[in-house]
Order: sequence, then structure tokens, then C-alpha cells
Amino acid sequence: AQKVTQAQTEISVVEKEDVTLDCVYETRDTTYYLFWYKQPPSGELVFLIRRNSFDEQNEISGRYSWNFQKSTSSFNFTITASQVVDSAVYFCALSGGTSYGKLTFGQGTILTVHP
Amino acid sequence: GAVVSQHPSRVICKSGTSVKIECRSLDFQATTMFWYRQFPKQSLMLMATSNEGSKATYEQGVEKDKFLINHASLTLSTLTVTSAHPEDSSFYICSARTGYTQYFGPGTRLTVL
Repeated sequence: AQKVTQAQTEISVVEKEDVTLDCVYETRDTTYYLFWYKQPPSGELVFLIRRNSFDEQNEISGRYSWNFQKSTSSFNFTITASQVVDSAVYFCALSGGTSYGKLTFGQGTILTVHP
Repeated sequence: GAVVSQHPSRVICKSGTSVKIECRSLDFQATTMFWYRQFPKQSLMLMATSNEGSKATYEQGVEKDKFLINHASLTLSTLTVTSAHPEDSSFYICSARTGYTQYFGPGTRLTVL
């Protein structure tokens, strides 16, 4: 069975602070994909990134960066110089090779960025 | 690219009526679409996987006779909540898959009175 754990239920920061959202996963699949989605108050899930299990290179996209470490089964997400518009619920998700594309979601982390 | 629309965005209905929600992939074809349900302050719960031209696959505990899914074309899947009751009130979200990534619609907030 697959499992995704986002231990941080809520995080509150002040604008311009850096913040890291943790994600730990469990799977028996050797090939799998990891995702981060953002859900702003409007409700629509916005795709942020996909990583496959064979690519452990960290990725940076503007103020966003992702740290994938297979050894610790973690896929953490860092927002640098946070802004109020970053306030949202962030979901980490996993899709394994045997799950036919189904996503297993973590419980989500509510990020609030205060001005 | 990879835009998914959902209609309606909000619906209020009386108990006992049926409600149809449409999910469309606007700029790509999706052989597989997914339907999720999300309760306030909770994560997404997968209800069913919808495959074009075949019957949907429902997750354990989801009543297939209550939540009818039709995936009639490569760009359209519909979810019909039959004989809706107040406990069916929720936020319903669809997604369409292209490659290894699912792209989500904006969601439909269903309120059953």
C-alpha cells in the first residue's frame, strides 16, 4: 500500500521568510512519481511539479525548490522569500507504477503567509 | 496548456433530486479521468477512475449506483449524483490525466438541502 505523510498540518510565516513543507512517502513500487499541488482558497488544485523515482536531481523554479531524497523517502518543498499569494493548502501526492495513475495524497499543509 | 474545466461550479438542489457534473479537458485528450470528493479541511478522496469507452472503476465504499460516471469521449466525463441527500453535500473535483500527470478542474460545490 502507498502512503504519503505531511506531518505539518499548518504553518504560519511572515512575508519574505523561507518555508519548507515536508513530505514523506511509502511505496513498494520501484517506479513511481511524486507530485506537489497547490490549492488556493478558490479550491482549484494547481500542478506544481512531478518527479519520477529515477531522477533525484533537485529542482528550482523561481522561488520554489524541491529536494527529493530517495534514501529518506522524502520530497520536500521550499518556498523562498514567501509572499502573501503563497497562502494555500499544499498537497504532496504519489503515483506508483502499479496504481494505474491513481494518486495517493497526503493530508495537506495549510500555509499562511502574513504581510 | 492542460486545462480542465468543470461545470457547474456551484449547485444547490433539493433532497431526492439528481445532479450532473461535467468535466472537460479543453486542450488535450484524456483516456483517463478521475473523480474526487473533498470535505472541508481534508484531503482529496478518490471516488472512481473513469476510462473512455468503458465502465468506471469505483473505490471501495463508493456506491456506484449513487454516483454514476460516464466517460463518453476523450474530453468529457460526467458524474451524476442520483437521489442526492444532505450527506452528499461536498466539493467534487475531477482530474484528467495526460502522460503521468493529473490536471484538476476547479471543482463543484454541491449543497443538498
